[in-house]
Amino acid sequence: AQRVTQPEKLLSVFKGAPVELKCNYSYSGSPELFWYVQYSRQRLQLLLRHISRESIKGFTADLNKGETSFHLKKPFAQEEDSAMYYCALRGAGGTASKLTFGTGTRLQVTL
Amino acid sequence: ETGVTQSPTHLIKTRGQQVTLRCSSQSGHNTVSWYQQALGQGPQFIFQYYREEENGRGNFPPRFSGLQFPNYSSELNVNALELDDSALYLCASSFAGNYGYTFGSGTRLTVV
Repeated sequence: AQRVTQPEKLLSVFKGAPVELKCNYSYSGSPELFWYVQYSRQRLQLLLRHISRESIKGFTADLNKGETSFHLKKPFAQEEDSAMYYCALRGAGGTASKLTFGTGTRLQVTL
Repeated sequence: ETGVTQSPTHLIKTRGQQVTLRCSSQSGHNTVSWYQQALGQGPQFIFQYYREEENGRGNFPPRFSGLQFPNYSSELNVNALELDDSALYLCASSFAGNYGYTFGSGTRLTVV
């Protein structure tokens, strides 16, 4: 079974502070991990995927298979980062290729 | 390049009725997935269609059914609506299920 856990419903940080949004997963094979973001009144959009090993809008995420984690990090939070963030997992092909989402973490960046 | 469009944006139905939600995939995408997002929850996978065939289904009863058309647009049909079906329904398209999915803005269904 695929499961994604985001333990924090809300994370509130000050502008310029570091951000870490936690994501843990459960999957027996080799998963593909994603972070999706939803800004206010906008649709869900892909932020980054682990196999790309890229940095988007200053955010990075490293897949830690030992700890089954894929935490999202940013060294200095900006006001425009305030949004809902969802961690998602996709397993191998076929029916397992569905995306399994966590419950999401709302990031609130304050001045 | 067009994105994923869903219609209608909002809908109110009575318990026991049937509803059809529509989705136009992003140009070049041949795979469409539907998700249900209840309030305060992450999206839950309903099913996926690839080249007009269902190739994956989540833990939803048979009264949730779908279609994908030759132009890769899609429909989600829900029969015998229940109050718990009230949610945001999201459509997402991709190319052969690879790379990231592009999501639509969703249809908010309220069952009263």
